[in-house]
Amino acid sequence: SYELTQPSSVSVSPGQTARITCSGDVLAKGYARWFQQKPGQAPVLVIYKDIKRPSGIPERFSGSSSGTTVILTISGAQVEDEADYYCYSATDNNLRVFGGGTKLTVL
Amino acid sequence: QVQVVESGGGVVQPGRSLRLSCVASGFTFSHYGFHWVRQAPGKGLEWVSLISYDGTNKSYVDSVKGRFSISRDSSKNTVYLQMNSLRTEDTATYYCTRDGLDYWGQGTLVTVSS
Repeated sequence: SYELTQPSSVSVSPGQTARITCSGDVLAKGYARWFQQKPGQAPVLVIYKDIKRPSGIPERFSGSSSGTTVILTISGAQVEDEADYYCYSATDNNLRVFGGGTKLTVL
Repeated sequence: QVQVVESGGGVVQPGRSLRLSCVASGFTFSHYGFHWVRQAPGKGLEWVSLISYDGTNKSYVDSVKGRFSISRDSSKNTVYLQMNSLRTEDTATYYCTRDGLDYWGQGTLVTVSS
């Protein structure tokens, strides 16, 4: 199937490590990207090719991958990291798919 | 600097048409494919369509196939999304983003309502 499954919400205290999972069959064949979206703003790419971090993204953001699951890890989460996070990948028939999104609360 | 700017949104009745535009600048337009992504109010991101760097490869999410059409004009550094037979469920903010999804516009709101 072409679905990516994420938890609807994750909550951590400031300074703790937040982990957001994304699962789907398409991840076994293709790379994942992760996006951060704050209210009223366009999404921002925070991880690409499963583990790579674009310039300007803090080092506390990292990605990992194993089989059909990818994980976004925010080490030492800050209050400003509170946002919605989406995973994304390509399918083998040239389509693209987003996960349902995870609301990260840091308080 | 790299910029992507969408326009063309508005309020339209069900069954009518609308054309969105996406003007890109700050990079070599002909080297990149583009995507349209939408977000219904209070909902998550949904990938809608893509066009390759040379316009030969196009794809659509099933829910818009046969109704929406993506195209590009390299002389104007512009990507279009022609939306026909609009439905209330097409109501969303539509974002344009270049391949790689590293630069996004601020989106244009499409409201389909009678």
